[in-house]
Parts: sequence; C-alpha cells; structure tokens
Amino acid sequence: AQKVTQAQTEISVVEKEDVTLDCVYETRDTTYYLFWYKQPPSGELVFLIRRNSFDEQNEISGRYSWNFQKSTSSFNFTITASQVVDSAVYFCALSEARSGGGADGLTFGKGTHLIIQP
Amino acid sequence: EAGVTQFPSHSVIEKGQTVTLRCDPISGHDNLYWYRRVMGKEIKFLLHFVKESKQDESGMPNNRFLAERTGGTYSTLKVQPAELEDSGVYFCASSPIGLGGQREQFFGPGTRLTVL
Repeated sequence: AQKVTQAQTEISVVEKEDVTLDCVYETRDTTYYLFWYKQPPSGELVFLIRRNSFDEQNEISGRYSWNFQKSTSSFNFTITASQVVDSAVYFCALSEARSGGGADGLTFGKGTHLIIQP
Repeated sequence: EAGVTQFPSHSVIEKGQTVTLRCDPISGHDNLYWYRRVMGKEIKFLLHFVKESKQDESGMPNNRFLAERTGGTYSTLKVQPAELEDSGVYFCASSPIGLGGQREQFFGPGTRLTVL
C-alpha cells in the first residue's frame, strides 16, 4: 500500500524567511510519481510539480525548489524568500505506475498549512 | 482553454436526500477522477474514468455512491441516500492520456457538500 506523510500540520513564518515543507512517502513500486499541489484560500488545487522515480535531479523554479531523495523516501519543498501570497495549504501526492503506462489515482498527504506573516 | 469545472459549488441537503454533483473536465482529457476531502482528513481518491469506462473504483465508499460518465465527456457523482458522514469537499480532476506515464491532474474548484 502507498502512503504519504506530511508531518507538519501548520507552519508560520515571517515574510522573506525561507521555509521547507517535508514529505515522506511509502511505496512498494520501483516506478512511481510524486507531486506537489497548492491550495490557496480560494479552494482550488493548483499543480506545482511532477517528478518520476527515475529522476532524482533537484528542481528549481523561481523561489520554489524541490529536493527528491530516494534513499530517504522524501520529496521536500522549499520556498525561498517567502511572500504573503505563498500562504496556502500544500499537498504532497504519490501515484504508482500502471502497467502499459496508464494513469492512476493520487494518494495525498494531509497537507501542510503554511502561513506567511507580513 | 477552460479548466475543470464543477457544479454546484455548494450543496446543503438533509440526511436521506439525493444529490448529484457534476464535473466537466478539460476538453480532450480522457482521464477523469473523483476525490473527496472530509473535514480534517486527507484528500481521498474515489474513482477513475478513462473515457466512459471505470478504470478504478476502489475508493468508492459504498453503494450509495454512483458515478457515471456518459459519452466520455462530463461526469456525475450521485449520492443516494446521503448520510451525515458524506459531508466534505468533492474534487474532480482530469488529465490527458499520452506518453510519459502519469501526467499531472488538473483539479476543479470542488463542490462543498453539507449533509444535515
């Protein structure tokens, strides 16, 4: 069975601080996909990143960066120089590869509520 | 291009009544998913359509829930009869079929269901 754990329920930092959101996953598959989604106060889920299990290269997109480490089954998300607009609930998710390359439902963590104070 | 849309945005019903939620995926997306988030819990997968066929319905809680996707376009999720524990936010998501394995899923804004 697959599982995603986001141990941080809520994080509060002051604007311009760096913050890291932790994500630890469990899966028996060797091929799987990891995702991060952002849920702002408006409620919709916004896709941030997808990473497959064969690509351990870290990724940077502006102030966002992701650190994927298979050895520790972690896929952590760092926001550099945080801004008030980054305030949201962030979800980490996992899907296992389906034979034939098909798609699968996502297993989500419980989410981390990030509060950026001005 | 329009995103995933869901209707209604909110629904308040009494226990025992029937409610039907609708999802319109992004045009051309053959994969359609339903998820639910009950208050304080994680977002849980309910089922997955590929075009009009149910690919995986392992997450459906019980037979009070019925999902359909007529013609492989929009989908409906009916709850009959609704119970108190069905309250939550129901999300729909869609993704294209293509090379490269699991593609990112695009989510709708959700339907907040309250059963009194």
